[in-house]
Amino acid sequence: GAGVSQSPSNKVTEKGKDVELRCDPISGHTALYWYRQSLGQGLEFLIYFQGNSAPDKSGLPSDRFSAERTGGSVSTLTIQRTQQEDSAVYLCASSLKFATGSSTDTQYFGPGTRLTVL
Amino acid sequence: RKEVEQDPGPFNVPEGATVAFNCTYSNSASQSFFWYRQDCRKEPKLLMSVYSSGNEDGRFTAQLNRASQYISLLIRDSKLSDSATYLCVVKLDSNYQLIWGAGTKLIIKP
Repeated sequence: GAGVSQSPSNKVTEKGKDVELRCDPISGHTALYWYRQSLGQGLEFLIYFQGNSAPDKSGLPSDRFSAERTGGSVSTLTIQRTQQEDSAVYLCASSLKFATGSSTDTQYFGPGTRLTVL
Repeated sequence: RKEVEQDPGPFNVPEGATVAFNCTYSNSASQSFFWYRQDCRKEPKLLMSVYSSGNEDGRFTAQLNRASQYISLLIRDSKLSDSATYLCVVKLDSNYQLIWGAGTKLIIKP
């Protein structure tokens, strides 16, 4: 079946503009995660959804970042008034469900959106 | 101190050799452990989970040492296609978050 898809694959924007990144998880996966990865760095957790609910938004770097998920499927990550330090690859992952120490929480990643803020 | 630490490498290893690298974690309450593989400019993909008793998947062996709080990955008979960054991932029992190491870069040379 189809994997996690993300769009756009690349986004170049000017400082101060808003951007919206989209993630389409694997069908039937209830858990969805957003990360970002700067060049040569590990993954930085941003936010997680269980269904349409985001229990903890503390990973979002600033109030310019927001995310939503509708219908238990597609999620959008919005960055307002982008700054140069927002440049990174934004990765979305989904898992069948959220469970502790279970194979059902194996995360499958999309190809990412490479965001460049000029 | 980072929650999950890895030697960034790169490890330059000749094809056919055995290579091993470790990952240390700081939170003793960590319960689940994974190795992910990330190819250059690609997304991470699960390589293997790490079980308490250690586990093997073909040429790959993962070990967990709770007393010293580290996990290891051993690759035998390395192939050119093993060249990638290997990410260590730790999950707390009561926390949905996966804590990611920055990765160890492995380069297999012919």
